[in-house]
Amino acid sequence: GAVVSQHPSRVICKSGTSVKIECRSLDFQATTMFWYRQFPKKSLMLMATSNEGSKATYEQGVEKDKFLINHASLTLSTLTVTSAHPEDSSFYICSAPAIYRGSTEAFFGQGTRLTVV
Amino acid sequence: AQSVTQPDIHITVSEGASLELRCNYSYGATPYLFWYVQSPGQGLQLLLKYFSGDTLVQGIKGFEAEFKRSQSSFNLRKPSVHWSDAAEYFCALGLDTGRRALTFGSGTRLQVQP
Repeated sequence: GAVVSQHPSRVICKSGTSVKIECRSLDFQATTMFWYRQFPKKSLMLMATSNEGSKATYEQGVEKDKFLINHASLTLSTLTVTSAHPEDSSFYICSAPAIYRGSTEAFFGQGTRLTVV
Repeated sequence: AQSVTQPDIHITVSEGASLELRCNYSYGATPYLFWYVQSPGQGLQLLLKYFSGDTLVQGIKGFEAEFKRSQSSFNLRKPSVHWSDAAEYFCALGLDTGRRALTFGSGTRLQVQP
């Protein structure tokens, strides 16, 4: 299948700082990428849809000024958590659709564990 | 709007025992259904998927799932659980095969006793 690489896998930052998470499609081009957030012992909630060359689409309740998404190329989307606070601590996962065995399938990155102290 | 329900938050089974994880969905049309597994601190791995056709689908690692339209269910099964199956399992619903974002259930944590 297709490979989606997410970096870093873990990051600890101080309150008030910003953190950038990268999501790369390694062997295919992704015009769309999805960013999910997973709270402890909870499911994955869609935060936003990243679109190459245009603005991201955010889900209701997600602060676009806090979670900045940039999709500058067909293989890279970034999520920047700005002015991070402890409540932003979470597991963030990206995914990208790719053609696999004749149909489009979602492929997920390894996820990023963000801890804000 | 579509939704996915996984009624069991936590399940414990003995190694070698059979397993069934429940998943119910709500959607007005024929759904695309998926089961993913997540090991601690890891991303998601696709176990199997149902798009159409045969309602019993086979996946990796010996898992299978059965789509039952009348019950709006897509339960995951395995005849004999291995200790390495301990993980979090997510059922998900898509509006297509994967071009759009998925709607996930809340997950079921599987613990395997020796």
